[in-house]
Amino acid sequence: ETGVTQTPRHLVMGMTNKKSLKCEQHLGHNAMYWYKQSAKKPLELMFVYSLEERVENNSVPSRFSPECPNSSHLFLHLHTLQPEDSALYLCASSHGTDYGYTFGSGTRLTVV
Amino acid sequence: QKEVEQNSGPLSVPEGAIASLNCTYSDRGSQSFFWYRQYSGKSPELIMFIYSNGDKEDGRFTAQLNKASQYVSLLIRDSQPSDSATYLCAVNVYFGNEKLTFGTGTRLTIIP
Repeated sequence: ETGVTQTPRHLVMGMTNKKSLKCEQHLGHNAMYWYKQSAKKPLELMFVYSLEERVENNSVPSRFSPECPNSSHLFLHLHTLQPEDSALYLCASSHGTDYGYTFGSGTRLTVV
Repeated sequence: QKEVEQNSGPLSVPEGAIASLNCTYSDRGSQSFFWYRQYSGKSPELIMFIYSNGDKEDGRFTAQLNKASQYVSLLIRDSQPSDSATYLCAVNVYFGNEKLTFGTGTRLTIIP
């Protein structure tokens, strides 16, 4: 398998649930990112991992918890979310920003 | 001032005409510039990147960069209905670590 793979593609969860989003990249990139995309808003950077170390946390609420066990895998653990957290969550990877990002297909999250 | 600005559109262009998409950015230190295409419900896909002032052509796409004016544009020649999508401009910004900052995107519709 090639590129950046995200699972699940769609997720509906209640406000009291705990779930995790998974991202896997097969490109040999050294940086991975979580972005949130809401309607009519720019892509919002949530977390950046470079060589498995978190280098940026963009004031994201603690109900979102990232994990990067190795350079190929990235998780976003979710708990006690709010309806306003419903959005498309995109994972991306890169080998330096001069080359741009490769995005995964995204997880469409709905919080009910 | 927003870091990366785009006209949100929608921009409607007749099939076969030239579509022109524009983007301005605020950080004069930016070095790399990207155009992503995002179909509805899909993730962004990198279609062009440019680093130097001037034009860069790839098939029907031409990216134009003017660093003095902090302006980058994308021209699509011989527009096709399949070009209908949202086009995101992205700029690399270095704040201790590099990341891409995205505009809100311009929605383009090609009218048959």
